Amino acid sequence: QVQLQESGPGLVKPSQTLSLTCSVSGGSISSGSYYWNWIRQPAGKGLEWIGRFYISRGAYYNPSLKSRVTISVDTSKSQFSLKLNSVTAADAAVYYCARGLTETTTLVHYYYMDVWGKGTTVTVSS
Amino acid sequence: DIVMTQSPDSLAVSLGERATINCRSSQSVLYIPNNKNSLAWYQLKPGQPPKLLIYWSSIRESGVPDRFSGSGSGTDFTLTISSLQAEDVAVYYCQQYYSTPWTFGQGTKVEIK
Repeated sequence: QVQLQESGPGLVKPSQTLSLTCSVSGGSISSGSYYWNWIRQPAGKGLEWIGRFYISRGAYYNPSLKSRVTISVDTSKSQFSLKLNSVTAADAAVYYCARGLTETTTLVHYYYMDVWGKGTTVTVSS
Repeated sequence: DIVMTQSPDSLAVSLGERATINCRSSQSVLYIPNNKNSLAWYQLKPGQPPKLLIYWSSIRESGVPDRFSGSGSGTDFTLTISSLQAEDVAVYYCQQYYSTPWTFGQGTKVEIK
C-alpha cells in the first residue's frame, strides 16, 4: 500500500525559500499511471492546489503561484519536492503531498488524488 | 478557474441521522469522454491524511463505508452520510479535477448535535 510522507523545515524566514520533500513508499514514483501533487491549507482556510508533476510531461503550476514555485521528482530516491521562494506570512500553512491518477490515450488525462500524506506545518517568521 | 461553493459551512447532526452537504461548481465538470463528472469528495480530520471518499461524483473509494454516497451532475453535487457516526466528525471538501488549476470548496464542518 503506497504511503506518502512530507518532510522539511517547519520554520522559514520571510523572503527565503520554502523547501519540502515528499517520500513515496510502497509504490513506484516512476509509474506512468500516477502524477504527484502539492496542496496547502493555511490555518482556518481551505485547500489550495499548488501544482503537479507527471513523469513524462514535467511540472504544471497553479497560475496564482507559478512565478514562485518549482516541483521536481527524484526517481532514484522515490521523492518529489516543492520549492516556494520569496515566502511571506501568507505562505504559512499545512502542506500536503498527494498522488493523482492518470490515464493516457493520445493525451494524458489527470484525475482525482487518491493517496495523501499527513501534512507538514510550515510557519513563516523571522 | 472553476469556483467550488459548498453549503452549509457547518452542520450539526444527531448520531444516526442523515447529513447532507452540497457543492456547486461555477461551470459544468462533466467529462465528455466517459460521461462522468470530475468531482471528488475528501474527509479531513486533524492529524490524519485527507481521505478520498468519492470520485467521479458517485463512486465510493474502496474501504469507504456505504453510509457515504455521492450524487449530482453538471454543476450541482451532494455528499450524503446516511447515518452519522461519531467517527464521521470531520471537515468535508469537494474538489473538481475537470480543469486546471484543481479547485476545492471551502469545506463543511460536520459535528454531532
